[in-house]
Amino acid sequence: SQQGEEDPQALSIQEGENATMNCSYKTSINNLQWYRQNSGRGLVHLILIRSNEREKHSGRLRVTLDTSKKSSSLLITASRAADTASYFCATDTSADGLTFGKGTHLIIQP
Amino acid sequence: DTGVSQDPRHKITKRGQNVTFRCDPISEHNRLYWYRQTLGQGPEFLTYFQNEAQLEKSRLLSDRFSAERPKGSFSTLEIQRTEQGDSAMYLCASSRWNTEAFFGQGTRLTVV
Repeated sequence: SQQGEEDPQALSIQEGENATMNCSYKTSINNLQWYRQNSGRGLVHLILIRSNEREKHSGRLRVTLDTSKKSSSLLITASRAADTASYFCATDTSADGLTFGKGTHLIIQP
Repeated sequence: DTGVSQDPRHKITKRGQNVTFRCDPISEHNRLYWYRQTLGQGPEFLTYFQNEAQLEKSRLLSDRFSAERPKGSFSTLEIQRTEQGDSAMYLCASSRWNTEAFFGQGTRLTVV
């Protein structure tokens, strides 16, 4: 079963601009995680936000969580060409474990 | 290396054959997950274990798929009577409760 759903499915921006991706989910969670996957490569963990947290930062990444709306957002500031990748949100629930959405494909134009 | 390891990295098999994949998680992690991923898609949940107990198995999976985690350590995923539609990357991940999951490099299965 897949609970999270990312929006948009694809995003193309200019280098230096900020990129925002959203994730909506359906049931109560323990935490929500964001991952990056470069083409043909493995999944890399970016950031985890627990259900009792509202915002977390890591370098150029900012994640928010709104449990009342069952949604999260990932903001990448000052984007670089190397940020081109697919980004996935994953929700951790006691019943279903860790399930992923279909991802947002981000392209950074030089 | 103390990361998640999967074996083999690549497997080519003929349709109808059985295949088995192995995953060795990070030693102190009690949760272990299996996923399937095809090109352009997100990881599709297959099953997960907490210690040796299999807590959830995707309703999408047919009975041809089975997984075990004896003694709560390594895990195996078996696919019986493989079909061409089973061709995909099979991913394993492990974690402690309520912490980040770490992924292996995956096993790429090609059914010919």
